[in-house]
Amino acid sequence: TQLLEQSPQFLSIQEGENLTVYCNSSSVFSSLQWYRQEPGEGPVLLVTVVTGGEVKKLKRLTFQFGDARKDSSLHITAAQPGDTGLYLCAVVASNSNSGYALNFGKGTSLLVTP
Amino acid sequence: ETGVTQSPTHLIKTRGQQVTLRCSSQSGHNTVSWYQQALGQGPQFIFQYYREEENGRGNFPPRFSGLQFPNYSSELNVNALELDDSALYLCASSLQPGNEQFFGPGTRLTVL
Repeated sequence: TQLLEQSPQFLSIQEGENLTVYCNSSSVFSSLQWYRQEPGEGPVLLVTVVTGGEVKKLKRLTFQFGDARKDSSLHITAAQPGDTGLYLCAVVASNSNSGYALNFGKGTSLLVTP
Repeated sequence: ETGVTQSPTHLIKTRGQQVTLRCSSQSGHNTVSWYQQALGQGPQFIFQYYREEENGRGNFPPRFSGLQFPNYSSELNVNALELDDSALYLCASSLQPGNEQFFGPGTRLTVL
């Protein structure tokens, strides 16, 4: 069972369009992270959201953490080809077995064409 | 400041063989985590090393093993390779367990 469900799985849009991708779970989290992974690279941390209802902005990217801290969304305004990549959400699992492991969703693969 | 580096970049092996992947952590980082990313999937946690000791392990069989050296670089060893081991193997380092993890570019392993 996947802890984090991401949707949509794939998204292909044209430059200038807006989009929203989602990360959902039935579990409550103390925090949630969003990463972007470009082809041939490892994931790069974009943001960490901590408080229920929190909204964080990173240039044209807006991240929101659900009030109940079970879900999150990423909205991109006026997408550009440079936004192309795999967007992953992740939570930190902290216990005696896993140390401080990151649990990732399957990701949303975004393609922005000129 | 040098980031996380991994070697080799690509590797092709056949079923039953053994493989060793290497990771150099970012300067000052004493924690290394390894992840397996199959095609179309998110990374899956394999294990974490902190100051040369295993600090946590995911749901991977014992044929996946690791080491961390005094300079905090790390190796991932996989014995008796299976076709399903074909994946991108990512290494990430952090200042301490629980701190932000910085990922390397990965090693692409293909098992034929």
